[in-house]
This record gives sequence, C-alpha cells and structure tokens, in this order.
Amino acid sequence: EAQVTQNPRYLITVTGKKLTVTCSQNMNHEYMSWYRQDPGLGLRQIYYSMNVEVTDKGDVPEGYKVSRKEKRNFPLILESPSPNQTSLYFCASSSDTILTDTQYFGPGTRLTVL
Amino acid sequence: QKEVEQNSGPLSVPEGAIASLNCTYSDRGSQSFFWYRQYSGKSPELIMFIYSNGDKEDGRFTAQLNKASQYVSLLIRDSQPSDSATYLCAVSSYNTDKLIFGTGTRLQVFP
Repeated sequence: EAQVTQNPRYLITVTGKKLTVTCSQNMNHEYMSWYRQDPGLGLRQIYYSMNVEVTDKGDVPEGYKVSRKEKRNFPLILESPSPNQTSLYFCASSSDTILTDTQYFGPGTRLTVL
Repeated sequence: QKEVEQNSGPLSVPEGAIASLNCTYSDRGSQSFFWYRQYSGKSPELIMFIYSNGDKEDGRFTAQLNKASQYVSLLIRDSQPSDSATYLCAVSSYNTDKLIFGTGTRLQVFP
C-alpha cells in the first residue's frame, strides 16, 4: 500500500530535550515536505526537499532541522524544543514538483512541549 | 495581508444544496491552485487542482479560477453530510516550490 508514515504519532516532551520525528514514504517520491498546523494559522511549510541531499527552508524553519540522506526518509529534528513548537506536524511527499502533482500527507504527529 | 485567504466559516448548507467555498490570493505570479479536504483529526487529502482560468469539473466538485481577480473557488454540488470537513485552499508559483495554504473553511452539511 502506497503511504507516508510518521513516528511517533503522539509525543509529549519537555523544553530542551532533543527529539526526532521520522517520516518515510514507499512511493519512490522525489519531493518531501514538513508542515506544522496550528489553529487560526493553517498549514505552514517548515522545510522541503527536492531530492536526496537537497533541502530548502519553507516559511517557518526556525528551530527545526532536516536531512535527506535517503530518498524514502525525511526526518524532522528539533534540537532544543520550546513550548511554541507545540503543534500538529505533517509530512508529505509527491513524485514531482508540487506545482503539478498530488501531495500525499502522512497521518500527523501531535507534539506537546512542556 | 495574508498570502492566501479563506473565510473560516462555518459554512452551513442543507443536504443536497450547492456549497460554495472561496479563496483569494495575493501573489500574481501564482500558477497552481489546489483544494484539499481535511476531516477532523485527519491529514489533508487532495480534491482537485486547477492551473488555467475557467472551470474544472470532477464529479460533484467544480473548481473555478479567475487569475485577473485573484480568486479560486470550489463548488460542491448535491452536498452530503459526509462532505462536512475543513477545506483548504493552497497556492504555488513557478518561482518557488513552496505551497502556501489558507487557514481553511469549515463546511457543515446538515440532513
């Protein structure tokens, strides 16, 4: 089954404790992206990747890191989480540029930073 | 001014009616326009996309694009209670591979 998976689905952590949210897709997609969704602010892009070793900042990259060492994986790293990073996070992928192709979203990761 | 604007709703329509969802955008260089549906607690799923001015129909859904007026709309004919969800408008341009989302319009279809 074609899918985007994220782990963990739920996470409660404390300020400053490094964490990684994993994202994996089994569709051999080139493009992957991370979003956060907050009430009243909608979905905002954090980082995206056009291919292996190619990443770029989205609209809200501060406090986040990403890496794309393999085509299928695109982990999101929070080196020192803060309460303002409490949010619902989605990973997404598409076979080509998002201009012309469907983005498939993962199930989401709900993060709470205390 | 927000880059992509939508009325947050809720928009309430009776079953069988036409639901009309609107979205305006500020970047005149925008080229691609998407409508996503998101059920509560779930991830967004693409309903349809449109690139050219005019209408594009897919089943009960019709997307309408007017680049001169910088708006895109989604019509849902014969609305069903199962259409009750938040509808997200998203816009992108050839200058960037970023996808900018609106905050979404919540649609309620009552029996």
